[in-house]
Amino acid sequence: GAGVSQSPSNKVTEKGKDVELRCDPISGHTALYWYRQSLGQGLEFLIYFQGNSAPDKSGLPSDRFSAERTGGSVSTLTIQRTQQEDSAVYLCASSSSQVAAGELFFGEGSRLTVL
Amino acid sequence: AQTVTQSQPEMSVQEAETVTLSCTYDTSESDYYLFWYKQPPSRQMILVIRQEAYKQQNATENRFSVNFQKAAKSFSLKISDSQLGDAAMYFCAYRSPRHMEYGNKLVFGAGTILRVKS
Repeated sequence: GAGVSQSPSNKVTEKGKDVELRCDPISGHTALYWYRQSLGQGLEFLIYFQGNSAPDKSGLPSDRFSAERTGGSVSTLTIQRTQQEDSAVYLCASSSSQVAAGELFFGEGSRLTVL
Repeated sequence: AQTVTQSQPEMSVQEAETVTLSCTYDTSESDYYLFWYKQPPSRQMILVIRQEAYKQQNATENRFSVNFQKAAKSFSLKISDSQLGDAAMYFCAYRSPRHMEYGNKLVFGAGTILRVKS
């Protein structure tokens, strides 16, 4: 696609439910990143994919968070047993690994609200 | 670990005036990269300007320029002739030269909200 696409744009869920957030990167971008942005805060790194593998998943806050990427394209971030502190905007970005210091292209994010 | 600090939570500027946003960072690496991103209310992050640490010359992009002071680990953004469309949250970000381990992963500061007054 022309840009990074994320869905859903907004998600409201009840505490304890599982949620899945989807990211469709720019076609041909082999690198994909997930970030979390809490209200009025900076971006917190969650995980980095190169192809289908995740060389850096150091930012995942707990074992309730997991992510996968299939076919070197679409990625899904799953949050199990959601808690109120998981409420945030989840941003996905992609980049071409062929370009050193390449630009990260971001989607518009998925806003998650846990009641 | 690298850290990025933006000490100004909020700044205001009059339309057509100049404003400078501050950023400092901490790293033991040498050939890194620095970025400024803009986040308007639409939430989509947009790259404003980038600087390679090995370059002494400050980067410029139209009305946007940086003051990169490597020894002081300072990377400020100057916006000249401010426009209403410049109103947004601005994030300073650091990228390690260790591309094999981290790809283009960015470490972000907390951001500065810029308000532009007409």
